[in-house]
Amino acid sequence: EVQLVQSGAEVKKPGESLKISCKGSGYSFTSYWIGWVRQMPGKGLEWMGIIYPGDSDTRYSPSFQGQVTISADKSISTAYLQWSSLKASDTAMYYCARPLRYFDWSDAFDIWGQGTMVTVSS
Amino acid sequence: DIQLTQSPSFLSASVGDRVTITCRASQGISSYLAWYQQKPGKAPKLLIYAASTLQSGVPSRFSGSGSGTEFTLTISSLQPEDFATYYCQQLNSYQALTFGGGTKVEIK
Repeated sequence: EVQLVQSGAEVKKPGESLKISCKGSGYSFTSYWIGWVRQMPGKGLEWMGIIYPGDSDTRYSPSFQGQVTISADKSISTAYLQWSSLKASDTAMYYCARPLRYFDWSDAFDIWGQGTMVTVSS
Repeated sequence: DIQLTQSPSFLSASVGDRVTITCRASQGISSYLAWYQQKPGKAPKLLIYAASTLQSGVPSRFSGSGSGTEFTLTISSLQPEDFATYYCQQLNSYQALTFGGGTKVEIK
């Protein structure tokens, strides 16, 4: 079964760093891009960026460029989303997701992780 | 970024109703559009891609149409399990693959 399993919920203080993960299984991890989507409480979906684990080619939304870092470790089939200094406004659910086709970063997401809730509060 | 405007943002409908949701793009995106369904506490689920192609396993009461700047998602006969929030997403930008603001479908 193709699946993406994300790390658990996090509660952090402003200014702290954080790295959340998304582990792929049931398919060739290095052949598909992995994207990240933010959903703030009660709000809509926001496309953050995407990485190709095969060579770590990464694309960011201008809205998130410089705010987060997307990375991947293909040896353990895991993608990451990290912050160096969290803000209260980073409080959200974060989803990783895989596009339909292996060669296309600009494709619809057909496989989604279960989401990781990040709460930033003093 | 390409902006997507969904309408309505909220609609109230009954089981069996025909429901149509519109998504308008700020510039032409050919047929590079997808639709998702999201239920509370769950990840989104892909319904339609390439504007009108039904994702495998999605019931045929869902259909999509449109190209350029105007797109529609239609549910031909609303079922109890269809009450959810629906999002469109454009797949034509080289920068960010933006989502629409969402349409919440609730029981009348």
